[in-house]
Amino acid sequence: QSALTQPPSASGSPGQSVTISCTGTSGDLGVYNYVSWYQQHPGKAPKLIIYEVTKRPSGVPARFSGSKSGYTASLTVSGLQAEDEADYYCSSYGTSYLVIFGGGTKLTVL
Amino acid sequence: QVQLVESGGGVVHPGTSLRLSCAASGFTFNSFAMHWVRQAPSKGLEWVASMSYDGSIQNSADSVKGRFTISRDNSKNTLYLQMDSLRVEDTAVYFCARDLELWPTHIDYWGQGTLVTVSS
Repeated sequence: QSALTQPPSASGSPGQSVTISCTGTSGDLGVYNYVSWYQQHPGKAPKLIIYEVTKRPSGVPARFSGSKSGYTASLTVSGLQAEDEADYYCSSYGTSYLVIFGGGTKLTVL
Repeated sequence: QVQLVESGGGVVHPGTSLRLSCAASGFTFNSFAMHWVRQAPSKGLEWVASMSYDGSIQNSADSVKGRFTISRDNSKNTLYLQMDSLRVEDTAVYFCARDLELWPTHIDYWGQGTLVTVSS
């Protein structure tokens, strides 16, 4: 049950795009499309922003998009806004009904 | 709207037990798998345990296996986490979370969390 690998930090200026990666293995992200991304502001509960690799829940801006290639999933935030500054976590389904999270990426809007 | 409200957190000594509850509302509780996820102070998210919609399937993280037990009462729309033999490293905010499916696969909604502090 090793955690998925995310960069600890990412940054971008308002209006720019930033991409956060999430690397897994053949036992999780590499074989399953149950890849999700969550946004968490300080002191708040996580919020789902991407599920099943590319899908956005109702109410999540189209600026947020997801993709996957091989063992790596990615979250792209386009047109960065100040309110996008938060921690972002990826997750994947793993064999035998378990869920694996990444270590989290702190996104800073410069 | 979906609401998940955790309760039962507090300050306890190492080696003792605690039971967390999660009251669900705003959706058909017995049609979704459920999860517990924790977050230690200033740390990332850690999946703790999952249970299928009917309780027939459950799994837990190696770090809590044999000490924590997830259960649910569909007649009361409530999820539980029985935590035994608590350790200092179990200190965290514990979130109750709903799955998108009948079986544990991926999480959509989260509660606000309840803080568990294990300290001597």
